[in-house]
Amino acid sequence: EAGVAQSPRYKIIEKRQSVAFWCNPISGHATLYWYQQILGQGPKLLIQFQNNGVVDDSQLPKDRFSAERLKGVDSTLKIQPAKLEDSAVYLCASSLGTGNEKLFFGSGTQLSVL
Amino acid sequence: AQKITQTQPGMFVQEKEAVTLDCTYDTSDPSYGLFWYKQPSSGEMIFLIYQGSYDQQNATEGRYSLNFQKARKSANLVISASQLGDSAMYFCAMREIYNQGGKLIFGQGTELSVKP
Repeated sequence: EAGVAQSPRYKIIEKRQSVAFWCNPISGHATLYWYQQILGQGPKLLIQFQNNGVVDDSQLPKDRFSAERLKGVDSTLKIQPAKLEDSAVYLCASSLGTGNEKLFFGSGTQLSVL
Repeated sequence: AQKITQTQPGMFVQEKEAVTLDCTYDTSDPSYGLFWYKQPSSGEMIFLIYQGSYDQQNATEGRYSLNFQKARKSANLVISASQLGDSAMYFCAMREIYNQGGKLIFGQGTELSVKP
């Protein structure tokens, strides 16, 4: 079974530039999550999709971050414009549902904002 | 208020010994799940073990067991017979089924170092 795919693996940009991350979840997984993990901290949930609808985006900085999940499969997360404090690893995860199903994580995208 | 609290930023354990990683949680949701994930230096998140709030018995998965004390709202991870490969960050996480739409919230993590 293929895992959660993310790209790119690494990205370096300057502040005020824009950047986009892509995620392809495990086939059949209805729920998709984007987490931000700052060095030395636990992952923080940015947005959760159920199919192509948003379940929770309460911690997404909507003035600069946006995310979409077209057709309920792939997802993109965009930052525009980036700030220094956005430097982090962005993790995508998917699960069959939102009960006792575990999350499967991708390898993450390490973003450095200079 | 912190939903998930891991009070041990770092822990050391001797190889082949057992170690307990602490986790306390806060919820009013009657239905919730508790997860533990391992994150090695490579960065991947590896699922270890799950405990449901209605489960009568403590969960076990090989060398991992979860000491679930519902009244105390604690869900400590016990690793028996530690191995050098167990050195990693360990995260406790909680999913509230009714109140929070099933989102998974993580604690701050505990860094475990296994000594030879």
